[in-house]
Amino acid sequence: DAKTTQPTSMDCAEGRAANLPCNHSTISGNEYVYWYRQIHSQGPQYIIHGLKNNETNEMASLIITEDRKSSTLILPHATLRDTAVYYCIVRVWGGGATNKLIFGTGTLLAVQP
Amino acid sequence: DVKVTQSSRYLVKRTGEKVFLECVQDMDHENMFWYRQDPGLGLRLIYFSYDVKMKEKGDIPEGYSVSREKKERFSLILESASTNQTSMYLCATGTVGGNTEAFFGQGTRLTVV
Repeated sequence: DAKTTQPTSMDCAEGRAANLPCNHSTISGNEYVYWYRQIHSQGPQYIIHGLKNNETNEMASLIITEDRKSSTLILPHATLRDTAVYYCIVRVWGGGATNKLIFGTGTLLAVQP
Repeated sequence: DVKVTQSSRYLVKRTGEKVFLECVQDMDHENMFWYRQDPGLGLRLIYFSYDVKMKEKGDIPEGYSVSREKKERFSLILESASTNQTSMYLCATGTVGGNTEAFFGQGTRLTVV
């Protein structure tokens, strides 16, 4: 079973920041938080990941709470092309059979014009 | 750029046929994954492999088998296709260690009639 909980859907106005929450209350100390998105009819695309500290790249920012039990993905200026399903995943890239990568059902973000 | 190539974008097969879905990657990644995606159910892990000839069951392995004879190729096999295996199938690859992302292919939409 997925170890994360996300809202089923969210709306955001074009040009505004989109804040997508994720709960991962059972996260282990060595598990990273990853975010992917899937635009209709395409394979999922990596966005960002983090362990403890907040992270930022050209696509988004990731804010992880101090207790690491939840996180928020921020798209600073959402565009219509950001309409997609966003997946939050926790995992550890260990060796062998620990490398399972389990997705949940994600959040459908609809950016409105 | 990482390339994850799935052999077919669309496939139509008859009930009872043996079906092979092929995935090839050019990044020398240790890990390869097969998922199926159905409306409302998100991505569900079927099988994954963390090394040549090594495989682990995912959440929904029933009715499927896999083969990884070479590091770059991971095959999903439907021994006797059934209509409930009509779905979008996605392959992914990733390396081990550190904090690195997984890469996805474009998917194969399989219809079993």
